[in-house]
This record gives sequence, C-alpha cells and structure tokens, in this order.
Amino acid sequence: DQQVKQNSPSLSVQEGRISILNCDYTNSMFDYFLWYKKYPAEGPTFLISISSIKDKNEDGRFTVFLNKSAKHLSLHIVPSQPGDSAVYFCAANAGGTSYGKLTFGQGTILTVHP
Amino acid sequence: DAGITQSPRHKVTETGTPVTLRCHQTENHRYMYWYRQDPGHGLRLIHYSYGVKDTDKGEVSDGYSVSRSKTEDFLLTLESATSSQTSVYFCAISDGLAQPQHFGDGTRLSIL
Repeated sequence: DQQVKQNSPSLSVQEGRISILNCDYTNSMFDYFLWYKKYPAEGPTFLISISSIKDKNEDGRFTVFLNKSAKHLSLHIVPSQPGDSAVYFCAANAGGTSYGKLTFGQGTILTVHP
Repeated sequence: DAGITQSPRHKVTETGTPVTLRCHQTENHRYMYWYRQDPGHGLRLIHYSYGVKDTDKGEVSDGYSVSRSKTEDFLLTLESATSSQTSVYFCAISDGLAQPQHFGDGTRLSIL
C-alpha cells in the first residue's frame, strides 16, 4: 500500500516557465513533508520542507503548498531552469514512534528544456 | 555537502554470499538511516539508528542487519545475498528526528 504517491512519472517544462510537481498521501498521521531532488549517480538532496501547521513554505524559486483536507502537496519551481532537470521525490514523516521514518513517493522526472 | 561517505560505491557479488556496506559520517549526527531505491518504489527505509548500539527496523528489514558501534559508522549487512536485494543503497543522517535527512551518494549492489 503506497502511502505517498507521485502520480506523474515525468514532467516536461520550458525554461523560464513554472514547474508544478504533485504528491498525494493517505496517512493522516503524516505531519511533516519534504521534497528532495536527485541527479543520476548522486544521493537525494534536500530542497524544502513544510510542517502540517502551515499551508505554504517558500525558499527562493521553490514553494511548497500543503492542502491537508485533500492530503495533497505540491512543489512549485519558478522560474524553471535547465539545471532543475532531475528526479524529484516527496517524502512524509509521521509523528509518535514513527518519527524520523520517512516514507517516499516514487519520484517524478522533471525535464526543463532550454 | 554533508560529510557522508558510502563504501563501496559499486559491488557485484553472487547469491548466497554475505555483503557489508559501510556508511561513514563526519557530522557527529545522532541519527543514521539505510534506504534502498528501486524503480517504482522510490526510497524505502531498511533500518535506522538513533544512537550507538541503538537500532530499529524500517519498512523492508527482512534479510538485512545493521550495527553501529561508533557514532560515525553505520554498517548494513546482507547475511546471505539474494537477487531481490539487487538495488541502490543510500545512507542518510540527521541531527534530529524533525530535521531533514541528508544522503550519501549511494552504493550500487548487483547480486548475480
């Protein structure tokens, strides 16, 4: 049972436009969410996170939105750059005894065309 | 970049042999994690450690064991490797359960 889902395996965007990556979750105990970026042959790199007490968090070109009622989060990248081309993973962290045990989505391959 | 070194970076071995992967950190972080990445599954937690000699199981722990005798080192052992354990293995560290985890560059393990 996939508790965190990224339903779009890939996304193609033109340089300078907005990239929107989506993530859905089913476990209502998740209270902390993260986005990671991964280049080939490297480990995932932390991008941005959001706590369930917020609905938006911004860091430069990256903004994460959380809709708790819909159990949905999204990552917006504006403007998109060719160097943003990578695999993006969303991850979720539940509270209590599960804290620290991240559950990842399957990933979305983002391609930004010059 | 977080000071995390995984070794070896690549390994090919045969079914039934024991395999040990090493994760070494220079950040003095308390928490360390082992994940595997497979197509269609993202990353899945195998085991994690919340201190020296303190470890616990993750989502896909069967067939794996871990040890942490020093803060800086976290070892993952496949007791008797099987072809289903062919994967890319990532180590991660964090200095708090509510803090982002930072990952090493992975070990690509092939079991023939």
